[in-house]
Amino acid sequence: QLQLQESGPGPVKPSDTLSLTCTVSGGSISSSSDYWGWIRQPPGKGLEWIASIYYSGRTYYNPSLKSRVTISVDTSKNQFSLKLTSVTAADTAVYYCARLMSSGSYGDHWGRGTLVTVSS
Amino acid sequence: DIQMTQSPSTLSASVGDRVTITCRASQSISNWLAWYQQKPGKAPKLLIYKASSLESGVPSRFSGIGSGTEFTLTISSLQPDDFATYYCQQYDSNWTFGQGTKVEIK
Repeated sequence: QLQLQESGPGPVKPSDTLSLTCTVSGGSISSSSDYWGWIRQPPGKGLEWIASIYYSGRTYYNPSLKSRVTISVDTSKNQFSLKLTSVTAADTAVYYCARLMSSGSYGDHWGRGTLVTVSS
Repeated sequence: DIQMTQSPSTLSASVGDRVTITCRASQSISNWLAWYQQKPGKAPKLLIYKASSLESGVPSRFSGIGSGTEFTLTISSLQPDDFATYYCQQYDSNWTFGQGTKVEIK
């Protein structure tokens, strides 16, 4: 059974870099049919797609965040990661990682999410 | 960017009711649309993809229809487990979510 688990360092200070890792178990991140992605949700608000990646390294970014975001994959660890630079309070959210089906079209397996708070 | 607008934002209904949620795209997205259900403190759950294809394991009371710019999610007979927030998501060009529709108990 495919499972995804987000992990990160906890609170982040304004202007710092937010770093998160998603560990995939019960399946291979190198599956030829799967993409992987990050989605976030500010407290009490809706969902926002951040970025997606294929195991080969091909990446896709939300244009509104592209200048601050890097998504990467480590096939040896069955993990993919997110870095978001120059964070502000507006980046406070629950961050979800997900497996994306059909060439990255929709998410069928999601992690439980991790709350990242940006605060001084 | 493609904008997605859901209506209503909140819907009050009773168990057994037929419920319909609408999602409109700012431009044609063919049938590249998914629907998710989200409960408080939980990750979204995929219900429908490609506008009308039911995800494996999702009850048949959920159905989706639409193409182009207008889409609907219907719950044929609302069950206690269905009280949640529902989101549409387009994947024609990158991803964009609707703002969500909360289905609450009447």
